[in-house]
Amino acid sequence: AQKITQTQPGMFVQEKEAVTLDCTYDTSDQSYGLFWYKQPSSGEMIFLIYQGSYDEQNATEGRYSLNFQKARKSANLVISASQLGDSAMYFCAMRSMDSSYKLIFGSGTRLLVRP
Amino acid sequence: DADVTQTPRNRITKTGKRIMLECSQTKGHDRMYWYRQDPGLGLRLIYYSFDVKDINKGEISDGYSVSRQAQAKFSLSLESAIPNQTALYFCATSEPTGMLDNEQFFGPGTRLTVL
Repeated sequence: AQKITQTQPGMFVQEKEAVTLDCTYDTSDQSYGLFWYKQPSSGEMIFLIYQGSYDEQNATEGRYSLNFQKARKSANLVISASQLGDSAMYFCAMRSMDSSYKLIFGSGTRLLVRP
Repeated sequence: DADVTQTPRNRITKTGKRIMLECSQTKGHDRMYWYRQDPGLGLRLIYYSFDVKDINKGEISDGYSVSRQAQAKFSLSLESAIPNQTALYFCATSEPTGMLDNEQFFGPGTRLTVL
């Protein structure tokens, strides 16, 4: 079965510093896709970044990058130059390979950026 | 205007009441999903639909039913609400491909409280 584990329930970071949010996954599939979503206090789910299992390069989107270590089955999100607006819940998710194509989510990490 | 809308955004109801949550999308996507989010947990799939004649149960469908009235509309019903159905509910859509990077687009969420 596929599973996503996020072991950091909450984290603090100083404004303008970088922060890494951990995500490990479990799957027996050779091909898979990993996503990160941001959920601010207003509640909506905002797509941040995607990494495919066969992508040779780590994904980057602006201040977001993904530290993908396939052998360790980890897909950590790195946020550079943290801003106050980065304070939110962050969810790692994996595309299900069953017929639903649903997203399988981790339990999330709450990030608080300190001024 | 938002591509995926949900109504109502907030609802407080009493145990035993019937409740309908509605989702509409203008993205033209065939696939639609209903997820539930509980505090400290990620999102879990309730039901999904790949077209108006295709309805499928997710991992936590007990106590819920759905209706796909049109390609653009997918409603979730709680026939007899109970307090442990208090949660944040999300509708999501995606394109009908099996591609791993097929992103899901989320509505703003409906916060439901059952007293």
